[in-house]
Amino acid sequence: AQSVTQPDARVTVSEGASLQLRCKYSYSGTPYLFWYVQYPRQGLQLLLKYYSGDPVVQGVNGFEAEFIKSNSSFHLRKASVHWSDSAVYFCAVSTGANTGKLTFGHGTILRVHP
Amino acid sequence: EAAVTQSPRNKVTVTGGNVTLSCRQTNSHNYMYWYRQDTGHGLRLIHYSYGAGNLQIGDVPDGYKATRTTQEDFFLLLELASPSQTSLYFCASSGDRAYEQYFGPGTRLTVL
Repeated sequence: AQSVTQPDARVTVSEGASLQLRCKYSYSGTPYLFWYVQYPRQGLQLLLKYYSGDPVVQGVNGFEAEFIKSNSSFHLRKASVHWSDSAVYFCAVSTGANTGKLTFGHGTILRVHP
Repeated sequence: EAAVTQSPRNKVTVTGGNVTLSCRQTNSHNYMYWYRQDTGHGLRLIHYSYGAGNLQIGDVPDGYKATRTTQEDFFLLLELASPSQTSLYFCASSGDRAYEQYFGPGTRLTVL
């Protein structure tokens, strides 16, 4: 079965700093990978996704992620964070089988100091 | 953009109580899901469905039932609620690209 590990429960950065949130997955095949963001008192919103092709994928609000198969990783990056990026970020994986099931990591709480 | 709504947004019940959480999506998506979100566990899949009348068991189904009455409506039922079911519940839906899910705003359930 697949699994997702987000090793950092909390990350704190200053506004304008660069950001990397880590995600490692466990799955023997080629996964479909996602990052979701949850703002306070809201549901999850899709930030970006990787299905195939270029391993660097662009998302909304300047976020990007890179799929590195050899490292089983899909880290999320942003060059310069804004205080409004403070939220909980979830990495998720699907095996691509037609079940529609996603497996989520435990999430990383991002706090951006203004 | 997909629209998923949930009701109620907040619910308080007592141990042994009967609770129904409702979810509606208005984009004719085939797939619908119920998750619970707890600190330290992330999101865990309770039940899901790929069409009216269909029900699939998720990863943490114990104590929960679900029914998909129409393409749009998916219900989660707690017939004998317990304090361990205090949680934030999310509904989601997805279309042909079954992996890309759209989430509702959540229902916070407290079982006293």
